[in-house]
Amino acid sequence: QSALTQPASVSGSPGQSITISCAGTSSDVGGYEYVSWYQQHPGKAPKLMVFDVSNRPSGVSSRFSGSKSGNTASLTISSLQAEDEADYFCCSYSSGTTAFVFGSGTTVTVL
Amino acid sequence: QVQLVESGGGVVQPGRSLRLSCTASGFTFSTYGMHWVRQTPDKGLEWVAVTSYDGGSKYYADSVRGRFTISRDNSKSTLYLQLDSLRVEDTAIYYCAKSSIAVAGSKFESWGLGTLVTVSS
Repeated sequence: QSALTQPASVSGSPGQSITISCAGTSSDVGGYEYVSWYQQHPGKAPKLMVFDVSNRPSGVSSRFSGSKSGNTASLTISSLQAEDEADYFCCSYSSGTTAFVFGSGTTVTVL
Repeated sequence: QVQLVESGGGVVQPGRSLRLSCTASGFTFSTYGMHWVRQTPDKGLEWVAVTSYDGGSKYYADSVRGRFTISRDNSKSTLYLQLDSLRVEDTAIYYCAKSSIAVAGSKFESWGLGTLVTVSS
């Protein structure tokens, strides 16, 4: 399985909204409601931000929201804050021989 | 509060073996599926393997199937990953991650801090 496709970098000013895309296929993103998103600050472990396309775990800010259209999922961060500067990875369940596939990762920069 | 602590990483030559451990606390370990996920130096994440709550079901990524073995000891709240026939491309930080249900689930709910495996001659 190939990794899901994400833009290498996205940037925005404080207070703005940004959207990160995650393109897959009908065998993964498009075929299941099992897309999750992870935030990773340098030297830290990933943290679950969104699961099952659009659900937030308890404690995650409502500024983070997820959606999906066809084979592409998206993570939107609204009212961008300095603490949101991090790497973001999408992940999807896959019907292939490898059960889960990750995106290539997107670095978010707050200008 | 969920805590996952990995150990066992180190520097190993190609073709050799290593066993990683992940000690869990803060939840009922024996009722949740558990995963291993690795992160290569170029920062990419890759799912490696998953075991069900009782070890009865195990699944692997194509890249490690036949070389790595996931197992668990519920009496010790510990997850293991046996890495055999190691290759240079297995060099990565290995994280254990908790599922939200008894089997694989759809997300990696909590993560440890990881342990670094370096495969080099």
